[in-house]
Amino acid sequence: KNEVEQSPQNLTAQEGEFITINCSYSVGISALHWLQQHPGGGIVSLFMLSSGKKKHGRLIATINIQEKHSSLHITASHPRDSAVYICAVRFEGSQGNLIFGKGTKLSVKP
Amino acid sequence: KAGVTQTPRYLIKTRGQQVTLSCSPISGHRSVSWYQQTPGQGLQFLFEYFSETQRNKGNFPGRFSGRQFSNSRSEMNVSTLELGDSALYLCASSVQVSYNEQFFGPGTRLTVL
Repeated sequence: KNEVEQSPQNLTAQEGEFITINCSYSVGISALHWLQQHPGGGIVSLFMLSSGKKKHGRLIATINIQEKHSSLHITASHPRDSAVYICAVRFEGSQGNLIFGKGTKLSVKP
Repeated sequence: KAGVTQTPRYLIKTRGQQVTLSCSPISGHRSVSWYQQTPGQGLQFLFEYFSETQRNKGNFPGRFSGRQFSNSRSEMNVSTLELGDSALYLCASSVQVSYNEQFFGPGTRLTVL
């Protein structure tokens, strides 16, 4: 079964801390997305990657294809980073639609 | 460049009614995907349209349908509404098919009473 697992489900951090959110998937993928959803519902696409590592500002996303695992790191976290972070994958051989993880709710305290 | 827009933003309907939601993609984007988000099931793929053709469909009953127009705008329709259809409905557009980065709209929050 094509599944996406995220951990942790909830995460509370102090401002300035280094944060890691993990995503594991069950079978081969063609692409993995990291999304950010703020209260109110709007979703922003942070990264799309199929190998290696990408960096944008304080955000870093890595993927290990062999281990079927991706991580999203936030350096020097800030209260404005508080949001739900969602991992989504496109499995190889699928119709092409995205399968989503349940999300990680991050709260950064000042 | 304007982002993805969805109308209406909020909607209240009663069981048995039908509803039509609209999505206008970013100018130049030809692919539109629809998603349903509920507290219990999270985000789930509904369908994807490209050049007025449905490319993919998720595991939803036939009450859920959609279409795309020649200007890439898309609508989705839900007939015979059920309480469980209460959700946030999101659309996302991309330049080509959804293998590219997707840009999400703000969503339409549907409440079925």
